[in-house]
Amino acid sequence: ELQLEESGGGLVQPGGSLRLSCAASGFTFSNYAMTWVRQAPGMGLEWVSHISGSGYSKYYADSVKGRFTISRDNSKNTLYVEMKGLRAEDTAIYYCAKDPGYVDWPAGAYDLWGQGTMVTVSS
Amino acid sequence: SALTQPASVSGSPGQSITISCTGTNSDVGGYNYVSWYQQYPGKAPKLIISDVSRRPSGVSNRFSGSKSGNTASLTISGLQAEDEADYYCISYTSNITPVFGGGTKLTVL
Repeated sequence: ELQLEESGGGLVQPGGSLRLSCAASGFTFSNYAMTWVRQAPGMGLEWVSHISGSGYSKYYADSVKGRFTISRDNSKNTLYVEMKGLRAEDTAIYYCAKDPGYVDWPAGAYDLWGQGTMVTVSS
Repeated sequence: SALTQPASVSGSPGQSITISCTGTNSDVGGYNYVSWYQQYPGKAPKLIISDVSRRPSGVSNRFSGSKSGNTASLTISGLQAEDEADYYCISYTSNITPVFGGGTKLTVL
């Protein structure tokens, strides 16, 4: 069964750091680009970051550029996002999602999603 | 900036509804990379349309997508109670990153 499972969320103080993980199973992880999408409480979806299957190409939303770092370990079938300098506006459910692989850039189509992990930035 | 969607739409069972997603020449109008997602409260989004009009395997053929100029549209025909959910569009942009619409709440009357 194809599955993505996020972990690592929690409560962090403003300015703090957190690393989220996303464990993949049921497909050849290294063949597919992956992405992070977040959703603030009661709000819409926001695309955050995208990484190619090899890990060579990375893309970021302007709102997180310079503070978030996406990475992957294909030997462990795991996607990561390292978040630093966290702000209250980063409070959200963070979803990882799989790219279907039709194109080599973040076109916005994601065919498998995890259930999300909640990140709360508050003092 | 975010693509523009109506905050809410409604329809009765059996009717057809259309949700619009308006952008610019730098996103919706410039590329055939518009996708649509369905999201139930407390659940992860589900891809229902990619590449403007491609329907993934397993998605009902009551869902269809189209695009004209800078506006993409999602049409749901034969509306059912289970279609009540939030719907989001997303488009690739000239910034080499995608952007979501603000979302539309669909109410089945």
